[in-house]
Amino acid sequence: QITLKESGPTLVKPTQTLTLTCTFSGFSLSTSGVGVGWIRQPPGKALEWLALIYWDDDKRYSPSLKSRLTITKDTSKNQVVLTMTNMDPVDTATYYCAHSTHIAFDYWGQGTLVTVSS
Amino acid sequence: EIVMTQSPATLSVSPGERATLSCRASQSVGSNLAWYQQKPGQAPRLLIYGASTRATGIPARFSGSGSGTEFTLTISSLQSEDSATYYCQQSYSPPLTFGGGTKVEIK
Repeated sequence: QITLKESGPTLVKPTQTLTLTCTFSGFSLSTSGVGVGWIRQPPGKALEWLALIYWDDDKRYSPSLKSRLTITKDTSKNQVVLTMTNMDPVDTATYYCAHSTHIAFDYWGQGTLVTVSS
Repeated sequence: EIVMTQSPATLSVSPGERATLSCRASQSVGSNLAWYQQKPGQAPRLLIYGASTRATGIPARFSGSGSGTEFTLTISSLQSEDSATYYCQQSYSPPLTFGGGTKVEIK
């Protein structure tokens, strides 16, 4: 059974750096073809893909946010970490992590709402 | 970047009727297209991948079709529990992109 869960601060101040952790079980991020991605959703708006890391440490980022994002994995801890620098109120959103097999995001975490406000 | 456009934005359908949702890609994505269902307060759920393959546990009333730039999600006989927003997403080429969503309402 594959499960994922996001954790991190619920409130960050403008210009601060956000660090989110995705802790998963039921699969290994050292298995060929497996990836973990981050997707966000501002309140009342559509889904936006942010970043993806694969089993071989290949990393992909949204071009519009690439300069602000870093994704890393700790295979031994079954965790993927996303950092986003220089947070702004427009970054207020629910952030999801999800299991990926190059085809689709087939398992999702419950999401975590991050509010950016002073 | 491949832009995904969904139509209509909102669809109102009576129970038992057919719902047809469209998704268009700005360039060919082959069959690398997925559909997700999202209910309020919940994470998205994968319905269809590879344009036409139902994910595990998805009822047969959900079907996907299309290739290249034009895709369709059909709900053959709408049930009350199908009230949700539906998103398409291409996995052909990074950046992976989602459509803006179609909200399906029960008439």
